Amino acid sequence: AQSVTQPDIHITVSEGASLELRCNYSYGATPYLFWYVQSPGQGLQLLLKYFSGDTLVQGIKGFEAEFKRSQSSFNLRKPSVHWSDAAEYFCAVRNNQGGKLIFGQGTELSVKP
Amino acid sequence: DGGITQSPKYLFRKEGQNVTLSCEQNLNHDAMYWYRQDPGQGLRLIYYSQIVNDFQKGDIAEGYSVSREKKESFPLTVTSAQKNPTAFYLCASSEIQGNTEAFFGQGTRLTVV
Repeated sequence: AQSVTQPDIHITVSEGASLELRCNYSYGATPYLFWYVQSPGQGLQLLLKYFSGDTLVQGIKGFEAEFKRSQSSFNLRKPSVHWSDAAEYFCAVRNNQGGKLIFGQGTELSVKP
Repeated sequence: DGGITQSPKYLFRKEGQNVTLSCEQNLNHDAMYWYRQDPGQGLRLIYYSQIVNDFQKGDIAEGYSVSREKKESFPLTVTSAQKNPTAFYLCASSEIQGNTEAFFGQGTRLTVV
């Protein structure tokens, strides 16, 4: 069965520091992977997605993620965090036959001034 | 503008009453989903549908029911059998193909008193 694990429930970084949010997935074949961001009380917005090809994908708001098949990981990174990046971040996986989207538990990001 | 609309944004109901949450999309997507979000538990799939008049149970379908009579609409009924219905509910839609992202509504916060 497909599953997604985000090991860090809450992360705090200083403004201007780099960020890495971890995501590990379980799926037998090449998955389709996504990162979403959610502000409090709002829906989810897509940051980036990986389907195939280049394993380093660029997204909106200066985010990027790297797909590593050997580690079953799809970690999200940003070189310099801004206070407006404080939100909850979700990693998700979908199989290549379509069907349901499976989410991780989410990582809440706090940004210190 | 194309998008996915959930209504109402806030909903209060007395314990023991059934309540229906609305979800409408004009993106011409075949697939629609309902997720429940609780603090620290990420998004859990309640029901999903890939075609009109057909839907499948997700991980936490007990106490919920859905219908898909029209492509653009996927209402969720929270029944009195749902033991702990107070939560944030998110509706999403997507194309059937796996290499497509899901688009989310703004959510409905249901409070049962």
